[in-house]
Amino acid sequence: AQSVTQPDIHITVSEGASLELRCNYSYGATPYLFWYVQSPGQGLQLLLKYFSGDTLVQGIKGFEAEFKRSQSSFNLRKPSVHWSDAAEYFCAVGAAGSARQLTFGSGTQLTVLP
Amino acid sequence: DGGITQSPKYLFRKEGQNVTLSCEQNLNHDAMYWYRQDPGQGLRLIYYSQIVNDFQKGDIAEGYSVSREKKESFPLTVTSAQKNPTAFYLCASSIQDRPSYEQYFGPGTRLTVT
Repeated sequence: AQSVTQPDIHITVSEGASLELRCNYSYGATPYLFWYVQSPGQGLQLLLKYFSGDTLVQGIKGFEAEFKRSQSSFNLRKPSVHWSDAAEYFCAVGAAGSARQLTFGSGTQLTVLP
Repeated sequence: DGGITQSPKYLFRKEGQNVTLSCEQNLNHDAMYWYRQDPGQGLRLIYYSQIVNDFQKGDIAEGYSVSREKKESFPLTVTSAQKNPTAFYLCASSIQDRPSYEQYFGPGTRLTVT
């Protein structure tokens, strides 16, 4: 069974600073990887995904993530954070096969200081 | 506009009562999912359905039931057997025949049982 670890429960950065959110996964084959963002009381919005090809993927809102197979990681980055980026971020891994379920990490809460 | 709707946004019930949460999508997606979200625990899969009139239990199905009589609709019933039903419930859908099977989420329903 697959699993996802987001080691940082809460991260605080200043507006304009760079951001990296960590995600480590456990899965036997090539994973399908996703990052979602959730504003308070809202549903989840897909930021980006990786399932094959270039290991550096670009997403919406200026985010990018890099798949590193050797480290079983899929860290999310943004060069300059905006106050509107404050939210909770979830990493997810998908299993191959017909079920195509996603397993989510426990999330990282991002606070942005003015 | 295509999307997923969940109603109501807030729901209050007395302990011992069954309650049904609505989820409708007009994205023509084959698969639909129900997740429960509790603080610090990420999303946990309750039930999913890949096709009309078929559904499977997820990781935490006890105390819940679902039906899938139409492609567009996947209601979730929280029964009185669910020991701790107060939570934020999220519905999602996805296309099954795409290599990257990202899930799209509704806005969620917050259920409070007292």
